[in-house]
Parts: sequence; C-alpha cells; structure tokens
Amino acid sequence: GAVVSQHPSWVICKSGTSVKIECRSLDFQATTMFWYRQFPKQSLMLMATSNEGSKATYEQGVEKDKFLINHASLTLSTLTVTSAHPEDSSFYICSARGGGKETQYFGPGTRLLVL
Amino acid sequence: GDSVTQMEGPVTLSEEAFLTINCTYTATGYPSLFWYVQYPGEGLQLLLKATKADDKGSNKGFEATYRKETTSFHLEKGSVQVSDSAVYFCALSPLNDYKLSFGAGTTVTVRA
Repeated sequence: GAVVSQHPSWVICKSGTSVKIECRSLDFQATTMFWYRQFPKQSLMLMATSNEGSKATYEQGVEKDKFLINHASLTLSTLTVTSAHPEDSSFYICSARGGGKETQYFGPGTRLLVL
Repeated sequence: GDSVTQMEGPVTLSEEAFLTINCTYTATGYPSLFWYVQYPGEGLQLLLKATKADDKGSNKGFEATYRKETTSFHLEKGSVQVSDSAVYFCALSPLNDYKLSFGAGTTVTVRA
C-alpha cells in the first residue's frame, strides 16, 4: 500500500511553454501533498504544501505565480511550471500523506528539461 | 530554523563491510527523525524512523537510534550488499508538523 505516482516521468519542453506534472495517491486519500525540487547531487528542497480544497502554502523564495499548484481532490495534485525557462530544469518530486498515515510517501519524480 | 547535517559522500565500500552514515540535527523540541533511501532511477523510500528519544528504528538490516543528548541519528548496517548502493537522506519533521527537512544526501556505492 501507500503508492504515489507521478506523470509524466520526464518531459522536455521549449522555453516559454507551460508544463503540468500530476501527482496521484493510488491507494489512499492524501489530505496533504508536498512538492519538492531536487538539483543534481543535492538534497530535496520543499517548494510548497497543499491541502485538498485549499490554496497551497509556498516556501520562502518560491514564486507562486511561476509554480501553480492545484490539489483538487484527495488523490490528485498538479504542479504547473508556467513560462518555463532553462533554469527551471530540475527533478520535481511529490509526496503525499493522509488516510491515517503520518509518513510521507514519495512519488518517483519527474525530470523536466527546458530547452 | 530546523536543519539536518549528514556526512558527505561519496562512500565506497566492499560487500560485507560495516556502514555508518553520520547525521546530526538542529531543532526545537522533539522532532521525528527519518532515513530515506533513493535507489538509482527511483523515488525516495522511507527506510526507518524514530519519533522520540532513545527510539531505535530498524529495517532491512539498517538501524538508527534517536540520541537527544548528542542530537544525532546515525545510520548503521553491519554487512552491506551491492543492492544497498543508493543515496541515503537523513530528515526531520518538527513536532506537530509534517514538513520534512532533508540533509544533503550521502551516496553509497558497494562493490562486489
């Protein structure tokens, strides 16, 4: 149990376009989802926390208009990178908790490359 | 604020060697402590956790003890295998909060 999926697993896009990444909890209801960014050979940096049905809470330094987060249901959260630029290229990881589970369960990540 | 400092890698070991990865933390109160593992090409998986002082988390032969007096949560395994090659992250979440703060990660390579 406690499986979290992400789609797509990797995406290449042109500079200026927007990219949407989906995060789904497959076998539990995720009341809270988290979005992280991981640079090569570095740790995960929390970008934002989203609770189902409410606005996401962004960490300091993360542009909320740049990284749009929607947690529309108990099993789905989306991260949209708007007007992507090469410096947005990174590994984006989501995690989810809920359904009586205190532990965060992580998705496999989405690798974004902006050309 | 809360932070986690873990041993820099990379660490290269032979099979059946003893592995220790040091982790210390700075936090107010009594945080929960975690070790996550990231195998090549995969997402993070929870390896073990401890929620209060002197608790020992264990899984897959790995152990870590929550030491409040030294603010540490060192990861140990007595005999590593090639399949233990991965990146290991120490992390904490504050009391009554689910946000995780991660250490920088330690890359471990085990050679046959």
